[in-house]
Amino acid sequence: GQSLEQPSEVTAVEGAIVQINCTYQTSGFYGLSWYQQHDGGAPTFLSYNGLDGLEETGRFSSFLSRSDSYGYLLLQELQMKDSASYFCAVNTNAGKSTFGDGTTLTVKP
Amino acid sequence: EPEVTQTPSHQVTQMGQEVILRCVPISNHLYFYWYRQILGQKVEFLVSFYNNEISEKSEIFDDQFSVERPDGSNFTLKIRSTKLEDSAMYFCASSRVAVSYEQYFGPGTRLTVT
Repeated sequence: GQSLEQPSEVTAVEGAIVQINCTYQTSGFYGLSWYQQHDGGAPTFLSYNGLDGLEETGRFSSFLSRSDSYGYLLLQELQMKDSASYFCAVNTNAGKSTFGDGTTLTVKP
Repeated sequence: EPEVTQTPSHQVTQMGQEVILRCVPISNHLYFYWYRQILGQKVEFLVSFYNNEISEKSEIFDDQFSVERPDGSNFTLKIRSTKLEDSAMYFCASSRVAVSYEQYFGPGTRLTVT
């Protein structure tokens, strides 16, 4: 089966940088995705890593180390609107995505 | 910008009844998914679907669940005999590329089983 671990809560101030880590155990690993979800909303795709290294998309970056079964999401220049839940998700080559429990990010002024 | 749509937004049903949740994926996407999220909990994978076949399903997706793509645009999830524990938000998602990369989620259907 699949299992993922990510911190349950993170708090940071506006303008800061925050890193949300994700470790996983899975078979048939294909890639690691990150999603944002605001209260009452649907998950929104942020980033995907299929290969080791860093992927950058604007203020958000994501990193993957397949050998360490580890990834992280880096959010820079935090804004109040970034307050949300962030999920890492392991994708298998069979088309299954297993989500972590989510990290609640609170951005304070 | 194209988006995934879902109907209804809220469905209330009695235990033991059948429900059909409907989704219209993004038109040029080939891979379709259903997830559920119980209030306050994580997103749980139910099933992925490609080329009119189930690609993968989770332990949750038992014989009470079925999916169908009845025409070129709709993608449905049927629960044959609902249970109280089926109460959740159900999200449909689609992706253009294989293996769950960059999935676009619909707004969800809140299912309440009484």
